[in-house]
Amino acid sequence: EVQLVESGGGLVQPGGSLRLSCVASGLTFNKNWMYWVRQAPGKGLEWVANIKYDETEKNYVGSVKGRFTISRDNAKNSLYLQMNSLRVEDTAVYYCASGDSIDYWGQGTLVTVSS
Amino acid sequence: QSVLTQPPSVSGAPGQRVTISCSGSSSNIGTYHVYWYQHLPGTAPKLLIYLNNQRPSGVPDRFSGSKSGTSASLAISGLRSADEADYYCAGWDDSLTGWVFGGGTKLTVL
Repeated sequence: EVQLVESGGGLVQPGGSLRLSCVASGLTFNKNWMYWVRQAPGKGLEWVANIKYDETEKNYVGSVKGRFTISRDNAKNSLYLQMNSLRVEDTAVYYCASGDSIDYWGQGTLVTVSS
Repeated sequence: QSVLTQPPSVSGAPGQRVTISCSGSSSNIGTYHVYWYQHLPGTAPKLLIYLNNQRPSGVPDRFSGSKSGTSASLAISGLRSADEADYYCAGWDDSLTGWVFGGGTKLTVL
């Protein structure tokens, strides 16, 4: 059974930083694309970033380019999202997901950006 | 405003069939595969359909997907109260160089 467990969410002031982590089990991590997808309060799902299994390709939604960095550690079956210069509009539940079809999802971690 | 357009809501009685549409463009649906997800608030989203019309293991055949040109649709037959959820279409967009999701459709079983 594939399990994805996110951590690192919390309350942060505008302009601050936060690092999200996701630990994966039950899949061959180093052969899977990985993703971060978020859902702001009362809004729909929004893809944030993805990273190829060998880190040779990374993509970001326009609103986070230059502020967020996706990375992974295949030795630790872990995915990360470094979020800098956070804005109020980044407030959302952040989901870690995996697979060519974004097959599997974690339960999410809440990030609240507020003064 | 989402790149992929879905109706905000659909409804149907138990046992009935409903369809949810997803309209895109040549840079996304017109060129790439479509995926559908079911999301109940507070839970992890679930993949329902991949590669336009394929069901993952464990997804009942009451759920089916189709694609034509720059549009796609999800059909749910034999509606059950447990099907009440938000449904999202998604896929790759090469103009944006990223994945795009529809705005989501809330299904209500009357």
